[in-house]
Amino acid sequence: AQRVTQPEKLLSVFKGAPVELKCNYSYSGSPELFWYVQYSRQRLQLLLRHISRESIKGFTADLNKGETSFHLKKPFAQEEDSAMYYCALGGSQGNLIFGKGTKLSVKP
Amino acid sequence: GAGVSQSPRYKVAKRGQDVALRCDPISGHVSLFWYQQALGQGPEFLTYFQNEAQLDKSGLPSDRFFAERPEGSVSTLKIQRTQQEDSAVYLCASSLVGPGQFLNTEAFFGQGTRLTVV
Repeated sequence: AQRVTQPEKLLSVFKGAPVELKCNYSYSGSPELFWYVQYSRQRLQLLLRHISRESIKGFTADLNKGETSFHLKKPFAQEEDSAMYYCALGGSQGNLIFGKGTKLSVKP
Repeated sequence: GAGVSQSPRYKVAKRGQDVALRCDPISGHVSLFWYQQALGQGPEFLTYFQNEAQLDKSGLPSDRFFAERPEGSVSTLKIQRTQQEDSAVYLCASSLVGPGQFLNTEAFFGQGTRLTVV
């Protein structure tokens, strides 16, 4: 079965602290993985995808096939990072399979 | 605007009423997706169009749900005889290219339509 698990509903950190948002997936083939972000009152938007191996707004994510994980990391959190973060898996039909999301709250 | 546009933004329907939700994708985008997002959950896939062809409707929860994209642009998601469990945010997304290439391009989401069935 194709599935994405985000074990934390809420993650609260102080500004300047490191952040790691966890994501595990279940997929039998070669996975395509994404992180989407939704800021308050804004639409869902792509943050990064694993195939491009890019760093966006200081965030990175490494695909670990052995652990079936795609955790999102940032060394120093900023208040403007506060948002809902969704990990997503590219499904076999071209759709996206989302996790339930993690709400990141960065306190001053 | 250049983004994906959905209307209405909010819809309150009485149980049993039919509703129609509209999605205007980005001009020229081949792929169009509908997702349902219940409170506290991530978006869940409903259906997918490539141009006017509905290639996958495996996520539609019942035969009360129907989607169309007759001219390969605007899409409508229709829900007949709405039930309380249909209350959710309905998201539309579009991307430039078709299946097989989709995963290498970005999917752009609309603001969603929040449906409340009372």
